[in-house]
Order: sequence, then structure tokens, then C-alpha cells
Amino acid sequence: SQTIHQWPATLVQPVGSPLSLECTVEGTSNPNLYWYRQAAGRGLQLLFYSVGIGQISSEVPQNLSASRPQDRQFILSSKKLLLSDSGFYLCAWSEGGFGYTFGSGTRLTVV
Amino acid sequence: KNEVEQSPQNLTAQEGEFITINCSYSVGISALHWLQQHPGGGIVSLFMLSSGKKKHGRLIATINIQEKHSSLHITASHPRDSAVYICAVIKDSNYQLIWGAGTKLIIKP
Repeated sequence: SQTIHQWPATLVQPVGSPLSLECTVEGTSNPNLYWYRQAAGRGLQLLFYSVGIGQISSEVPQNLSASRPQDRQFILSSKKLLLSDSGFYLCAWSEGGFGYTFGSGTRLTVV
Repeated sequence: KNEVEQSPQNLTAQEGEFITINCSYSVGISALHWLQQHPGGGIVSLFMLSSGKKKHGRLIATINIQEKHSSLHITASHPRDSAVYICAVIKDSNYQLIWGAGTKLIIKP
């Protein structure tokens, strides 16, 4: 069966520290992978998407970057976190228009 | 105007009431998702539908493609149903996901 793993569920990090959030997919190959963010009181916003290994498209310029080192692995990173990076981060994958599968999300608090 | 609109933004009801949350969209879609987000918690996918109606326990989701409208119903609501309910549509032009702003539901005992 197709599953998606996203961790950690919650994270508290100091300002200026690095960030690495990982998302892995099982049960499918060559999925489209996505990172979304939800800032406090706002709706979810697309940050990055990837249609293949090493292929990353950025939707919103910011303090974050994404990488796809393997077909089923998608990583969201930052070299130095800002307070404004706090929020809820969600990983998802899709195969065209046949629906999305969602991770459970990571709640990041930058202090 | 947002491509996906949810109503109401906030809803408070008494335990046992029948709840309806609405989602209207202005783009062509291939499917629509309903998700649940508990306060401080993660996201849970409730339904994906492209036509008709789906039921899971006390939750029912319907979609009318011609009207570009979907509803999520909760029967015999319970305080544990308190959460934010989010509608998201898959655009049929590029398969990107467009999110609604969410409906915050509070069920009082």
C-alpha cells in the first residue's frame, strides 16, 4: 500500500539554527512531491514541488530550500531559521490528478 | 477572489447537532479532498471524491461538479469533532492542489 512518512511531528528550534524536515514515500515510484506551509491563522501555501530526482520548483521565495536526493525522499531545509519560519509544514505526494496522499505534518516553533 | 471558498469560517454548535460545512470552487477540478486538523495536531485526510457522495462513520461528503460545490456533514456531533476542516481541490489544468482557508468547528458538550 502507498504511505507517506513525515517527521518529526513537533519541533522547537532556536532562531539561527538549521532545519531539516524529511518526508519519505512508500509503495509508489516517481511521485510528484510537495511541501506546504501553514502560518498561524492562514491557509496552506505551496512552498516547493518536485517531479523527479534533483528537480525542485519553488513557489514562494523565502529562507527555505528543498532537495530530492532519492526518488521517494523529499527534504525541506534551512541554514538559519527565522522567527517567521514558525508554522505547520505538510508533505504530500500525487500521481497526476488521481488524488494526493498527505503526511501528518510537522509543527515547527522557532524561539 | 479565492479559487476555493469555505463557509462558515467559524462554527460553534452543541453536542448532537447536525453540522454542515461548505466548499465552493471556481476552477475545473479532477477531485476534491476534505481534511481534518486538530488544534496543535497533524492533518488527517477524511475523503477524496470526484462525484456523488461518500460516507465514513458519522461523516458524509458530497460533491456537485456542475454546481462546483461540496459539503461535509457530521451527524450526531461530538466534542471530539472539534477541529479545523479544510477543503482542497485538484485543478484539472495542472493537477496542483488549491486549499481552502478552513472552517474552525467547536462542539460544546
